[in-house]
Parts: sequence; structure tokens; C-alpha cells
Amino acid sequence: EVQLVESGGGLVQPGGSLRLSCAASGFMFSDHVMSWVRQAPGKGLEWVSTISDNGGSTFYADFVKGRFTISRDNSKNTLSLQMSSLRADDAAVYYCAKDLKTIDAFDMWGQGTTVTVSS
Amino acid sequence: QSALTQPASVSGSPGQSITISCTGSSRDVGGYKYVSWYQQYPGKAPKLIIYDVIDRPAGVSNRFSGSKSGNTASLTISGLQAEDEADYYCSSYTNSDSVLFGGGTKVTV
Repeated sequence: EVQLVESGGGLVQPGGSLRLSCAASGFMFSDHVMSWVRQAPGKGLEWVSTISDNGGSTFYADFVKGRFTISRDNSKNTLSLQMSSLRADDAAVYYCAKDLKTIDAFDMWGQGTTVTVSS
Repeated sequence: QSALTQPASVSGSPGQSITISCTGSSRDVGGYKYVSWYQQYPGKAPKLIIYDVIDRPAGVSNRFSGSKSGNTASLTISGLQAEDEADYYCSSYTNSDSVLFGGGTKVTV
């Protein structure tokens, strides 16, 4: 079964750090560009970051540059998002998504993991 | 960059057709053919229904169709059904190697 399963969400204090993971299965993970997209409670979708198939290129939304780092381990079929200096407005459901080709369309999504930023 | 502009809500009766607009600029929607549309039910992950402006992934109903004119892309749902009641989001690749989403449109049947 083709699947993306996120983990690592939780409650963190403002200024804190958190690492999200996404386990991929059912497809050739190393052949595909991968991304993170988030959705704050009651709000719309927001692209966060994208990483190329070999990990050599990374792209970030301006609002996370310098604070978040996307990475992947193709030997373990795992995508990660290291988040630091977290702010209240980073609170959201974070989705792992597979890109259709490059930074264009997301044709497979995980179920999401919730990040809450509060003291 | 600001989100792409979508109407907050659109409604229609069963069997009717509705169109959702998605307005950006020449730096995104108008400059590339990489416009996508997603359907999202409450509490669920989004689902890709249109990519590259007009293409449908396998398994997506042909009642969904996409188009683009200038800086505005559109999603048309024909033969509206109760199951089409959901939130719809457009997205576009941008000239800064990023993706911009629209604010979302709630479709009521």
C-alpha cells in the first residue's frame, strides 16, 4: 500500500524545537521530490519546504527560512523536518506530501501530525 | 508573497455547474502551467484533483475540469453532487522556486 505516515508532532514552548518525520512506503521513495505543507487550525494550506529526490536541493518558504531544515534518508525511506525557534503562528497540522514531478503538484499526502506551540 | 485569491464560498444545487476562480500574478499563475487544485474534507488530508492547469490524476471524476486565462485559473465542477461539498484549494509554482496556495473556497451543495 502506498503510504506516508507522519510522526513527531506535539506540544512545544515558544522558542523551542521539534523534529517531524515521515515514513514512506509502497513507492520508490528515492525517485521522488518530497515536501512539507502545513495548515493552521481553521486556516488554509501553506507550503513549507521541498527537497529534491537526492537531497541535494532544498527550498523553503520565507517564513521558515533559517528556522526549519528539511532532510531525507533514502536508505530508510524517511523525510524529516527539523523545526527550531518555534513561534505561536507555527502551530498547525503538518503534512508530508509527495510531489508529482518537481515543485508543482502534491499527489500523495500523509494524514498529518499536529504541532502546538504554547507556554 | 500573498496567497492566491479565491472566493471564500461558492454554492450550487445538485446537477448544476459551479466555477471557482484563483487569481495570482505573472510571477505565479500567469507565468507557468503549474496550477493545481485540491479537494479537502473536514479533518482529512487534501486530495489532488487537477494538476498542470487542466490534467486530472487517474481516478478523479471528469466532472472536475481546470482552465486558465492570464493570471486567473479556474476549477469547474459540473453535475454537482452532494459529495462535492468540501473545501477546494488552488496552488501555483512561483518564480521564486516556491509554491503558493489560495486561501480556499468552501463549496456548498
